[in-house]
Amino acid sequence: GAGVSQTPSNKVTEKGKYVELRCDPISGHTALYWYRQSLGQGPEFLIYFQGTGAADDSGLPNDRFFAVRPEGSVSTLKIQRTERGDSAVYLCASSFGQGGSTEAFFGQGTRLTVV
Amino acid sequence: DQQVKQNSPSLSVQEGRISILNCDYTNSMFDYFLWYKKYPAEGPTFLISISSIKDKNEDGRFTVFLNKSAKHLSLHIVPSQPGDSAVYFCAASTRNAGGTSYGKLTFGQGTILTVHP
Repeated sequence: GAGVSQTPSNKVTEKGKYVELRCDPISGHTALYWYRQSLGQGPEFLIYFQGTGAADDSGLPNDRFFAVRPEGSVSTLKIQRTERGDSAVYLCASSFGQGGSTEAFFGQGTRLTVV
Repeated sequence: DQQVKQNSPSLSVQEGRISILNCDYTNSMFDYFLWYKKYPAEGPTFLISISSIKDKNEDGRFTVFLNKSAKHLSLHIVPSQPGDSAVYFCAASTRNAGGTSYGKLTFGQGTILTVHP
């Protein structure tokens, strides 16, 4: 597709369950980012991939959160033992990365609700 | 610690007039700044950016001004149109250790702009 695609668009899960959120970046973009946006706030950085490796994971709030990008394209954000405080919109973005345009293009987000 | 702040939660302007959205930052290591626009149920859309070596960048109706000494940037929209009504986020970044790319963006809280016909 032409843009960043995130699936699912909405996810409702019970407290304590495990969830996976998927991101398909723009083809050719080497950099991929995950952000979390709570109501009334700006996006908050979680993790940044350059290719297959996590270049910066300083924003992951705790060890329940993990992300992978095994082939340098699609990425999955994984949340274990979900808590109600994890409810937010999870945004994925991609950019050309090193040496290219610095502008990041965002997907529409996955709205996660933990009940 | 909010390193990027947008102190005005909302702004209302008349169609055809100028909209000025403001943003302040505290981290002097930031050297690249961006503005994003967001409609409900959509992801943020890139609008315009500016490097710290410049003090102004213009793209059509949108102009971003950077005052490094004051650690302040602003987005001017002239003339404002009803379709500009959205949430506007400013964001800042720093080059990586090798100086070859930018990594994470630090966002402000956003300002809701409403342009009345």
